[in-house]
Amino acid sequence: DAGITQSPRYKITETGRQVTLMCHQTWSHSYMFWYRQDLGHGLRLIYYSAAADITDKGEVPDGYVVSRSKTENFPLTLESATRSQTSVYFCASSEVGPKNTEAFFGQGTRLTVV
Amino acid sequence: SQKIEQNSEALNIQEGKTATLTCNYTNYSPAYLQWYRQDPGRGPVFLLLIRENEKEKRKERLKVTFDTTLKQSLFHITASQPADSATYLCALRDSFSGGYNKLIFGAGTRLAVHP
Repeated sequence: DAGITQSPRYKITETGRQVTLMCHQTWSHSYMFWYRQDLGHGLRLIYYSAAADITDKGEVPDGYVVSRSKTENFPLTLESATRSQTSVYFCASSEVGPKNTEAFFGQGTRLTVV
Repeated sequence: SQKIEQNSEALNIQEGKTATLTCNYTNYSPAYLQWYRQDPGRGPVFLLLIRENEKEKRKERLKVTFDTTLKQSLFHITASQPADSATYLCALRDSFSGGYNKLIFGAGTRLAVHP
């Protein structure tokens, strides 16, 4: 199916564990983004990628690692999960140009760190 | 510091009235600004984009204005309906050296339209 999909939808993990959230898009968009959404903070950018093998930090990158070896995939890894990383995570993709600049979001991953 | 500010208090209006939401930004010079709608448990959905050289943009019952002097965008929903109840987020692209962009969001304003 065309679109952007995140997996898993829900995840419970223990403090100190490594966990990877997956994001896959079928449009071949250049840009992909990871956000976390917490009450009172809205969507905060964790990392973004302008193309395969080009990534950069957003507003809240500490404790997260990303990679983008293929255009369609942009996994987010929490190297050692902490309770403060309990959140809803959204992945998005977009193009950049005169017309195609809207971002398309996945359905989100609700992560609980216990 | 750079900020995008939206009214954190929920906006409650009666059905049929016009809802007006505000987005203010500081220390950004965006080429365009976007508005998204987010329903509970779902990802944001794009609504409208307005460029810096456009004063106003319309789409059905939606209207967006962009004042680069005031560093403000206003988002209007006319003839509001209970189905318009959602959180509305503004977003802008922040350009960096190297030409890469990141998409930054405000915290959103929750709109509740009452019958």
